Order: sequence, then structure tokens, then C-alpha cells
Amino acid sequence: NAGVTQTPKFQVLKTGQSMTLQCAQDMNHEYMSWYRQDPGMGLRLIHYSVGAGITDQGEVPNGYNVSRSTTEDFPLRLLSAAPSQTSVYFCASRPRGSYNEQFFGPGTRLTVL
Amino acid sequence: AQSVTQLGSHVSVSEGALVLLRCNYSSSVPPYLFWYVQYPNQGLQLLLKYTSAATLVKGINGFEAEFKKSETSFHLTKPSAHMSDAAEYFCAVSDEPGNQFYFGTGTSLTVIP
Repeated sequence: NAGVTQTPKFQVLKTGQSMTLQCAQDMNHEYMSWYRQDPGMGLRLIHYSVGAGITDQGEVPNGYNVSRSTTEDFPLRLLSAAPSQTSVYFCASRPRGSYNEQFFGPGTRLTVL
Repeated sequence: AQSVTQLGSHVSVSEGALVLLRCNYSSSVPPYLFWYVQYPNQGLQLLLKYTSAATLVKGINGFEAEFKKSETSFHLTKPSAHMSDAAEYFCAVSDEPGNQFYFGTGTSLTVIP
């Protein structure tokens, strides 16, 4: 199993550009999430999904869109990039159940100029 | 909403010394608690988790944590630090029914030779 994969690993955007961060998992996990990591702030939840066709907002959803058309894929879209979205983005997946841990991808480092 | 607090954003220990990283949780019901480790430029990896089966939980790489309900704590310990333990450590709590994880702000561990 490849686990959770993310592409690209690095990306530089100009303010106002849009892009999609890709996330895929091959473990048949129901739950998938997107986090951003900023210094001194830990991981903050952007959006999450409890299954195909079901998504919900997390703590910091503004400026981001998600969709979940399949169990495997959970892309994150930046509609109009802003410098405040410069961050490291992590995708995670987990099986259903509160006691189950999350499995994380390697991250995407995004810089918005 | 649930939350976790990690006391000390930076901890330094000498090689061979005890490692103690603190985590307190806020929960009105028995929580599901997790410790993750993040090595530089990598994703998060599970160290251990508490799921109410036992109050003392053993994890990978010699780490363990003790759940203390009276103190609402889940501190991470390792008897003897190794240089390879230098990393960022995150405490996290899962809500019911497990849709979301709440992460602490992280503790950076430095091991001094």
C-alpha cells in the first residue's frame, strides 16, 4: 500500500492564482481531512469528509474548496491564492471510529507571493 | 469542542536523560488521545494512542504515556533520550463520533549530545 499520497510536494503561486492540491489514499478509509500547519499554531483543520459525497468545514475553511467524488481522492482547491495561505498542507485519512488514528501524507509546501 | 494543551513549545534534554512532554485535555467524556511525532520535512507518524483499555500506553521507539483522569493529562515520557528523538511532538484528541481531531500546538524536542 502506498498509504496517503500528496502532490505536488512544493508549489509557488502568485497572488490570485488558483490551484488544486491532490490527495489520494489506498486504504479504503472513510474519513479524510485537510490540515494546514503554521509555526506555533499546530495543525488546523480546513475541511474534512466522512465519505464519498459528504464534506464539511473545519476550523479554517475560508478560501478553500473540497469535493469527494470517490473514496480514494480528496482534492483541495485554492480559489484565489493569498499570501496568508502560505503554509504546509497535510492530507490525512482514517477508518471510521473515534479510537482510530489518522494516517498522514508527506505534505505540500505552498508559497504564495 | 474538545481541546488539548501542550505546555512548553520547546524542550531540551541531554542525551540519556528523561524525556517528559506534557499534554492536558479538555473533555467532558472519556477521550481518545493520541501522540504523534513529526521529523523535519515529513508528515506525522503515530507514536501511541489511548483508547481506555489501559491507562499506561506503550508506543514505538520506547515512548509511553499515562492517562490520568483526575489530572486530565496524557503526558509523554521516555526514560532515556536518544539523538534520533529530536523532532516535533503533537498531542491530539478525537471527538465523538470521531469526525475531527484536535491537535495541540506542538512541542519541539532538542536532544543535546
